[in-house]
Amino acid sequence: NAGVTQTPKFRILKIGQSMTLQCAQDMNHNYMYWYRQDPGMGLKLIYYSVGAGITDKGEVPNGYNVSRSTTEDFPLRLELAAPSQTSVYFCASSSGGQGWEKLFFGSGTQLSVL
Amino acid sequence: DQQVKQNSPSLSVQEGRISILNCDYTNSMFDYFLWYKKYPAEGPTFLISISSIKDKNEDGRFTVFLNKSAKHLSLHIVPSQPGDSAVYFCAAGNTGKLIFGQGTTLQVKP
Repeated sequence: NAGVTQTPKFRILKIGQSMTLQCAQDMNHNYMYWYRQDPGMGLKLIYYSVGAGITDKGEVPNGYNVSRSTTEDFPLRLELAAPSQTSVYFCASSSGGQGWEKLFFGSGTQLSVL
Repeated sequence: DQQVKQNSPSLSVQEGRISILNCDYTNSMFDYFLWYKKYPAEGPTFLISISSIKDKNEDGRFTVFLNKSAKHLSLHIVPSQPGDSAVYFCAAGNTGKLIFGQGTTLQVKP
């Protein structure tokens, strides 16, 4: 029972480098989300998707891009890494957008930009 | 603009006593509320939820109370156990988007 799988678990980037954080879920969920957690700041929504081919911005989308070509995968792209993007990134999924479908989270990717 | 606030960064209680975690929100359009628990190096896991049409929901040792007029919700854990030590996030939302609070670190001492 894999649930939501995130890779990599840890990564160090230099300023200006780019990378893609991978997220896959095997629960056939329509909704997928990317959050970042900064110390003492809780979880901030970066982008979300309500289904394949549909994405929308969350609270803090600047500096990130996403795509949703399949139901299972929702990668997050950092094009020009900046120190402000040092954070822990969580991917999550849910079965629908009605509110009662709880989010299932991956175990996170810890990213440092130096 | 922090729409969901948890004003207590940490809370310490004795095993067997009640833990009360608080959360305030500003957006009256939120129509559902959830609590998540997070252990170190793991993703958050769902704990309990409540609809805006209710004022209380119970699940075992966990009870969530909602006061819409005050835009306030709280999570009660009775009795508290050492395994409850974790970071607790409240979240609120509508139309499928959840907004999270900053989290409260609960320590339950044996």
